[in-house]
Amino acid sequence: GAVVSQHPSWVICKSGTSVKIECRSLDFQATTMFWYRQFPKQSLMLMATSNEGSKATYEQGVEKDKFLINHASLTLSTLTVTSAHPEDSSFYICSASDEGSPGADTQYFGPGTRLTVL
Amino acid sequence: AQSVTQPDIHITVSEGASLELRCNYSYGATPYLFWYVQSPGQGLQLLLKYFSGDTLVQGIKGFEAEFKRSQSSFNLRKPSVHWSDAAEYFCAVGASNDYKLSFGAGTTVTVRA
Repeated sequence: GAVVSQHPSWVICKSGTSVKIECRSLDFQATTMFWYRQFPKQSLMLMATSNEGSKATYEQGVEKDKFLINHASLTLSTLTVTSAHPEDSSFYICSASDEGSPGADTQYFGPGTRLTVL
Repeated sequence: AQSVTQPDIHITVSEGASLELRCNYSYGATPYLFWYVQSPGQGLQLLLKYFSGDTLVQGIKGFEAEFKRSQSSFNLRKPSVHWSDAAEYFCAVGASNDYKLSFGAGTTVTVRA
C-alpha cells in the first residue's frame, strides 16, 4: 500500500514552453501533497505544500507564477513549470501524506520526474 | 528552525562489512526522525522512522537506527552491507505539528566487492 506515482518519469522540453507533471496517490487519499526539487548530488528542497481544494503554500524563494500547483482531488496534484528555462532543469519529486495528526504521518514519495529544458 | 546535518558526504564500504551513517539534527522539541534511501534516478524509500518509544528502531533491509537525545543524533547502521545497498541515504527531521520535512544533504554509499 501507500503508492505514489508520477508522470512522466522524464521529460525534455524547449526553453519557453510549459511542462505539467502529475502526482497521484494510487491506494490512499492524500489530503496533503508536497513538491520537492532536487539538484544533482544535492538534497531535496521543499517547494510547496498543497491541500486538496486549497491554494498551495509556497516556500520562500519559490516563484508561485512559475511553478503552478493544483491539487484538484484527493488523489491528484499537478505541478506546471511555466515558461521553462534551462535553470529549471532538475529532478522533481512529489510526496503525499494520508490522514492523521500533523507531523505524525509519513510522507510517501513518488519516483520523481527528470525535467531537462533545452 | 529545524535542520539536519549529515557529516559524511561519501562512504565506501566493503561488501559484508558494517555500515554506520551519521545524522545530527537541530530541533527545539521532540523530533520526528526518518531515514530514506534513494537509488539512482529513483524517488525516496523510507527505511525507518522514529516518533517516540524505544530509541532503537528497526527498519527494512536490515537497517536500524538509534535515537540519542543527549547527542541530537539518529545514526543509521547495518551489520553487513550488500552490493545492493549502494545508494544515497537521507536523514530527515519533521516537526510535531507540521507535515514539513527537512532533509540532510545526503550520504553516498559505495559498496566495493
